[in-house]
Amino acid sequence: NAGVTQTPKFQVLKTGQSMTLQCAQDMNHNSMYWYRQDPGMGLRLIYYSASEGTTDKGEVPNGYNVSRLNKREFSLRLESAAPSQTSVYFCASRKPEQGLYGYTFGSGTRLTVV
Amino acid sequence: RKEVEQDPGPFNVPEGATVAFNCTYSNSASQSFFWYRQDCRKEPKLLMSVYSSGNEDGRFTAQLNRASQYISLLIRDSKLSDSATYLCVVMRADSWGKLQFGAGTQVVVTP
Repeated sequence: NAGVTQTPKFQVLKTGQSMTLQCAQDMNHNSMYWYRQDPGMGLRLIYYSASEGTTDKGEVPNGYNVSRLNKREFSLRLESAAPSQTSVYFCASRKPEQGLYGYTFGSGTRLTVV
Repeated sequence: RKEVEQDPGPFNVPEGATVAFNCTYSNSASQSFFWYRQDCRKEPKLLMSVYSSGNEDGRFTAQLNRASQYISLLIRDSKLSDSATYLCVVMRADSWGKLQFGAGTQVVVTP
């Protein structure tokens, strides 16, 4: 039972490059989320998907796009990376009927933009 | 103003001692409250929920004060393994599970 799997774990990008962060869950969860964590700040929501086929902006969506490819996968794309996007990115999924106890985080992607 | 605020610490605690710290939240529509633990920038992990009546989980006690809009966590008989950052997390009703995180309180338990 893998839970939430994020790839890659580490990435260094040059300013202006693009990349996609992958996230997959095998728990049949409906809702999926992307958060970023910066030093001295709490995790902030970038985008979320309440169910397959829907996506919505969170607190800090600028510079990102997402795709809910199917129920299992929720990817985050940086079209033109900027140094301000250097952060640790966490994907999470949730089974709404389990409340917060159904909330599972991936192990994170550490992204550096130079 | 941040929606969830915490004292960043660090709280340096001798092994075996008790440590307590608070978190304040600004949105009165907040419905659910939790403490998460995070080790060395790994993924956050749920420590415990916080109920209005107060609740314990072993050496951990959580309290919620809705009138003053703060949450507290107390750790008794601190262990070296309790060294971590403790994140205060709030969820509003009908928010599709979106979480509001505090920046965390660092606890360092020393021998």
